[in-house]
Formats: sequence, C-alpha cells, structure tokens
Amino acid sequence: GAGVSQTPSNKVTEKGKYVELRCDPISGHTALYWYRQSLGQGPEFLIYFQGTGAADDSGLPNDRFFAVRPEGSVSTLKIQRTERGDSAVYLCASSLEVAGGSYEQYFGPGTRLTVT
Amino acid sequence: GNSVTQMEGPVTLSEEAFLTINCTYTATGYPSLFWYVQYPGEGLQLLLKATKADDKGSNKGFEATYRKETTSFHLEKGSVQVSDSAVYFCALSKLGRRALTFGSGTRLQVQP
Repeated sequence: GAGVSQTPSNKVTEKGKYVELRCDPISGHTALYWYRQSLGQGPEFLIYFQGTGAADDSGLPNDRFFAVRPEGSVSTLKIQRTERGDSAVYLCASSLEVAGGSYEQYFGPGTRLTVT
Repeated sequence: GNSVTQMEGPVTLSEEAFLTINCTYTATGYPSLFWYVQYPGEGLQLLLKATKADDKGSNKGFEATYRKETTSFHLEKGSVQVSDSAVYFCALSKLGRRALTFGSGTRLQVQP
C-alpha cells in the first residue's frame, strides 16, 4: 500500500517568508510525527499527534513553528518568519497505535527546505 | 537529557567483511533502543529494535543486543553485502514517550 507522502519534496524560500509543509500519513495510522534533520545529523523530534491533538510538542524550537492535524489524517507544519537556520529536511512519520502493538514509525521521504 | 552517540563514518568495508557500528546512549530509566537504516534515495526504515535489557534485535542478518551495564546497542553483521551500503542511525525512546532521539548516523560503504 501507499507509504507516507510529503509535499513538496523541495522548497526554496526567502528569509522572513512563511512556509507550509504537508504530510499524508499511511491510511489508518492514528499517530503522526514531525522531525527535522539538519545536514550530517540525525533527525530531531519536533511534535507528535495522536488523532487531531498534539500529544507532545516539546521539540518545537520556538513559536515560529506550528503544526496542525485538523481531521486526524493529513498534517501541515507551518513555519513563520523563516530563518536561514531553518534550512533542513523535514521528515514526517506515522504509526498505528494499537494496544500491545509495536508502534513502529514509518517515515516519509522528507521535504528539503532551503531558506535563502 | 537523552542522547545517543554513534561512531563517526564513513565505515568502508569489503564485501563479506564483519561489521560493527558502535552506539552508546544516555537516558534515565529503561528506554527502548532502535536501529534505523536509510538507503540511498529512500526514507528511514526500522531495521531492528530491543525494548529491555539483554534483548537481542535481529533482521536481515543484522543483530544488536541491549546492554544496560554498558549503555550500548552496537550493530553487527557477520558478512556485509554491497546492498548494505546506507546510513545507519541508532535511536532511543523513553518509556511512555513516542518521540525518538537519534544519533548522528554512520555511513557504511561496502565495496565489491
């Protein structure tokens, strides 16, 4: 079946602009995650949704970052007043939350954001 | 806080060589431990995991044992193939949390 998809695959924006990154999780997966991966580093956790609500947003670096998942499926990561330091690959993952299950996170291909 | 430290790469091996990629962690309590792999042009995939001390995770010929006494989760494979060339990430999640904390990754290059 279809995996996690993310759009766009690449996004170039100017410093100070607003961007939205979209994630389509695997159908039926109730949990959704956003991570950020800077060059040469491992992914860094940003936020985790269980259904429509953010169950853990402890990784959001500041209030310029915001994410929503209004219908419990697609999620959008929103970044205001972008800075050059926001340049990274933004990864989305989803998992099926079933009691006693593995909660394995399935990752999408990522959106490469470049802030000029 | 939680952290994961991996050996720096790239690791370059000849086909059929033995592989070890070191991973140590710092965490309170008893985290779950994971190895993820990223093949060229593909997304991160779970390779194996272990959820408690002395557990051994295994998949595709790879193994890693959860060593609480040394806070380590080293990845091993007895005979690597060219198709194993990828970036390998060690990760942990704390009990009760879904968020993964990743190491910086180790690039493996296997030459024929």
